[in-house]
Amino acid sequence: GENVEQHPSTLSVQEGDSAVIKCTYSDSASNYFPWYKQELGKRPQLIIDIRSNVGEKKDQRIAVTLNKTAKHFSLHITETQPEDSAVYFCAAFRNQFYFGTGTSLTVIP
Amino acid sequence: NAGVMQNPRHLVRRRGQEARLRCSPMKGHSHVYWYRQLPEEGLKFMVYLQKENIIDESGMPKERFSAEFPKEGPSILRIQQVVRGDSAAYFCASSPPGGLNYGYTFGSGTRLTVV
Repeated sequence: GENVEQHPSTLSVQEGDSAVIKCTYSDSASNYFPWYKQELGKRPQLIIDIRSNVGEKKDQRIAVTLNKTAKHFSLHITETQPEDSAVYFCAAFRNQFYFGTGTSLTVIP
Repeated sequence: NAGVMQNPRHLVRRRGQEARLRCSPMKGHSHVYWYRQLPEEGLKFMVYLQKENIIDESGMPKERFSAEFPKEGPSILRIQQVVRGDSAAYFCASSPPGGLNYGYTFGSGTRLTVV
């Protein structure tokens, strides 16, 4: 089956700086890659996604890039704000969703 | 659209008791997925169901765990003879027919505590 690895597991940035979270996947047949944000005690919520026929997608301060050849994809958050502090999960879809182990992002005011 | 509804939100069980977790998918959705999230860990796939069918249960422990999605009513995740290690948040998600490759919506989860 698919194997998704996510790095780093924890990330602290100063408010206003950028944050980058990286994931790799193993199955070249995976074709859809969503990112979820989970605040403490709450459900994971979809924040951005990308399909295998697209290399980059941006939504305001959030962007995702995909390198199919290298089988990795990344989440970029610019101008970070304290409310961006949460756990972020990447996922790869191949018949079902396979999740990374999460990155705990802390934005320091 | 009320979204994916899970209940109860919190469930406390003593060791050896049974836990029943319910998930009502979004209106029009016929696929349900259950995930388990241990404290400070990621989401682990458990089971994928369609109405009256288990499609993939590769993530379900072989013993004590079962799931169903009847023709009428919510999907049920059942854990028999619970142990402390079953304490976790259990999330379900749903998707429409044919919509397997979209970012599906999670319910609010059921937090099971075994004492």
